[in-house]
Amino acid sequence: KAGVTQTPRYLIKTRGQQVTLSCSPISGHRSVSWYQQTPGQGLQFLFEYFSETQRNKGNFPGRFSGRQFSNSRSEMNVSTLELGDSALYLCASSLSEVPGETQYFGPGTRLLVL
Amino acid sequence: GESVGLHLPTLSVQEGDNSIINCAYSNSASDYFIWYKQESGKGPQFIIDIRSNMDKRQGQRVTVLLNKTVKHLSLQIAATQPGDSAVYFCAEKSLQYYGGATNKLIFGTGTLLAVQP
Repeated sequence: KAGVTQTPRYLIKTRGQQVTLSCSPISGHRSVSWYQQTPGQGLQFLFEYFSETQRNKGNFPGRFSGRQFSNSRSEMNVSTLELGDSALYLCASSLSEVPGETQYFGPGTRLLVL
Repeated sequence: GESVGLHLPTLSVQEGDNSIINCAYSNSASDYFIWYKQESGKGPQFIIDIRSNMDKRQGQRVTVLLNKTVKHLSLQIAATQPGDSAVYFCAEKSLQYYGGATNKLIFGTGTLLAVQP
């Protein structure tokens, strides 16, 4: 079974631009979560989707948004990029929201904002 | 606020020794804890988990201990190998979200495990 895939793997943008990142969960998984990883803040929860519905959202500004499609694939968008948005963006999937189910992470998308 | 913190940012061990990585959590209502391993250039990889109704769980070469009284979690790696070199994160899962379930994980700051040959 293929793991979680994220595209693109690397991205360079300039301040003020917007970016869209994509995540394909493991086949059959319906829950997708997004995290931002930076050296200063560590791994921080962005949002979570289950069956196309946002179930939870972290403490990030409204410039960060996401969505999930009927095939469980998810995208996140960051508008009006700032230098501080440079980070590794990780996507994780699991079968559902049941706590005992393992969340599997993708390799991440490395975003650099210049 | 919510936080899960690690005591030691870097742990250096000799190959073959046992490693112990510690983690403190602050939310006494958390009921599920996970350890992840992250190698350079990769996403976090699941190692082992434990529910709050347990105090110990063993996997292959790894053991997780949970002490709810002092809100402390530890990961023990037996016979540490060079391939174990990575950053290790503890994570806490909370079910408290408007009474519904959630997959939100709160991560600790991470411990770098360096295995010396």
